[in-house]
Amino acid sequence: SAVISQKPSRDICQRGTSLTIQCQVDSQVTMMFWYRQQPGQSLTLIATANQGSEATYESGFVIDKFPISRPNLTFSTLTVSNMSPEDSSIYLCSGRGGQNYEQYFGPGTRLTVT
Amino acid sequence: QKEVEQNSGPLSVPEGAIASLNCTYSDRGSQSFFWYRQYSGKSPELIMFIYSNGDKEDGRFTAQLNKASQYVSLLIRDSQPSDSATYLCAVFTTSGTYKYIFGTGTRLKVLA
Repeated sequence: SAVISQKPSRDICQRGTSLTIQCQVDSQVTMMFWYRQQPGQSLTLIATANQGSEATYESGFVIDKFPISRPNLTFSTLTVSNMSPEDSSIYLCSGRGGQNYEQYFGPGTRLTVT
Repeated sequence: QKEVEQNSGPLSVPEGAIASLNCTYSDRGSQSFFWYRQYSGKSPELIMFIYSNGDKEDGRFTAQLNKASQYVSLLIRDSQPSDSATYLCAVFTTSGTYKYIFGTGTRLKVLA
């Protein structure tokens, strides 16, 4: 299984600022994803991070608000831009790899916007 | 719209009983199916995956897949209070963009 780390684990940010979340995988993975999860809710896919090209965003999410980078097969960043209190959530990255192409999750970043 | 549906629960079972969690999916082209366990305040943890019709057993967990009925289930035998968590069903779809579609999760409570 892949081990995934995220930084920061939590942050409290002011409205209008931006935060970049880093995701590091301990092995090469074919795909990386970014999700958002509100308390008590299921996971919402923000985008698929593509290595060397632009991310693929889900409906309701745009690059200007959530720019994503993936410079190699083990690392990705998600930036939450011009934050508002509605962006308060847990942000999770995941990687798909392994012998059976399973998906593993990082520990999450708990973001609070005041 | 591809969907994965689960009963939100809570599903309450006594300790030592079998917990049965169910999931249906709409995309017939789905090939791989996953069960995750999520404790409150933690990220999802993969506990089972299944690709072929039939049963797959791993310890106290059995995943069952019926592609004709578009149905996936997870059985937990000898349920323990530590199994109390939310169980998420996920389907990996290759129709269009490749991605995982998650159900809303079933909350399981195992009563001591």
